[in-house]
Order: sequence, then C-alpha cells, then structure tokens
Amino acid sequence: NAGVTQTPKFQVLKTGQSMTLQCAQDMNHEYMSWYRQDPGMGLRLIHYSVGAGITDQGEVPNGYNVSRSTTEDFPLRLLSAAPSQTSVYFCASSYLKTQKSPLHFGNGTRLTVT
Amino acid sequence: AQKVTQAQTEISVVEKEDVTLDCVYETRDTTYYLFWYKQPPSGELVFLIRRNSFDEQNEISGRYSWNFQKSTSSFNFTITASQVVDSAVYFCALSESSTSGTYKYIFGTGTRLKVLA
Repeated sequence: NAGVTQTPKFQVLKTGQSMTLQCAQDMNHEYMSWYRQDPGMGLRLIHYSVGAGITDQGEVPNGYNVSRSTTEDFPLRLLSAAPSQTSVYFCASSYLKTQKSPLHFGNGTRLTVT
Repeated sequence: AQKVTQAQTEISVVEKEDVTLDCVYETRDTTYYLFWYKQPPSGELVFLIRRNSFDEQNEISGRYSWNFQKSTSSFNFTITASQVVDSAVYFCALSESSTSGTYKYIFGTGTRLKVLA
C-alpha cells in the first residue's frame, strides 16, 4: 500500500498564481487533514475533513480552499498565492471511528511563492 | 491560546546522555489522546506513541519512555543513552473534540534535538 501520497514534492509559484496540492490515501481513512509547517511555528492545521462532502476549518484556513468528493482524495487549493504561503505542506489521514487513531502523514510538499 | 506547548525550542546533548522533552497541553475535554511524533532530517513524520487521558501509567519502549501526568497536564518524553540517530524534531500532539462534533489534532511547535557524537 502507498499510504498517503502527496504531489508535487516541490513547487514554485509567483504571487497571484493558483494551484492545487494533491493528496490521496489508500487506507480507507475517513479523516483527512492539511497542515503547514513553518520554522518556529510547528505544524498548524489548515483544514480537515471527516468524510466525503464534509470539511471544516482548522487554525489557519485563510487563503486555502478544500473539498472532499471521495474518501481517497483531499486536494488543497491556493486561489491566489502569496509569499506568506511559502511553507512545507503535509497531508495526513486517520481512522475516524476512534479518536486514538494516530495520523499517517504524506512526505510533504515544499511550496515557494515569489 | 496555545493548546500544546513545547517550551524547549532546541536541545543539544552529547551522545549517551539522557534527555527529556517537555510537553504541556490544555484542553477542556475529559477524554482526549496525546501523541509524540518524530521528524528526522529527511522530513517525514513518524508516529512514536499515544496515550489516552485515562491511563497515567508510564510507558517504556527500549530507550524511549513517556511520563503522563494529568495533574500537571504534561506528557514528557525521555530518551535514555541518546544516539546520533535520535537527532530530529519531536512533536507533541493532542487529539480533542471539535466544534463540528468530531475531533482534530493540534500540534506543538516542536523541539529540535541534536545529539552530538
């Protein structure tokens, strides 16, 4: 099994451009989420989803959109990239039915906005 | 307000020393889970351990041990006889209920551990 797959691994955008970070998991996890990692800030939750058609905001949702049309996929959209969105983005998933389920992380996408 | 606090930004130790990483959390839930993750220099995030709010029994796994104290809202992580391969960023995380009726995971800012040969 591939686990959690993120694409691309690296991306450079210009201010104002849009793009979608892809995340797919093959573990039939109901719960999926996006985090950004910045120096000194740790991992901050952007958006999360508890199932197809259901999404919710995390700590830092501004500037990002998500949708969940299938159990497997949870893309993160940047509609108009800003330099403040330069970061490493991680997608993570887990079983929803139990709160004790640990998160399984993808390998991250390093995004630079110039 | 910070829900998971890792006050130690960076710790350096010499190989074979013991080191403790601190984690203090804040939650209103009576049922919650705490986790530790490791992020080595390669960048991936690796799950290490979880603890539920009803189980204050300490746990030992090889050179790793965890001390959960509900009275002080702390979940500290100790590495005994540290090795260079332990060099990484370590994150503490809390799983608590969310306003939508489900739950979410909140992470601390991480502690960078450097083990010097």
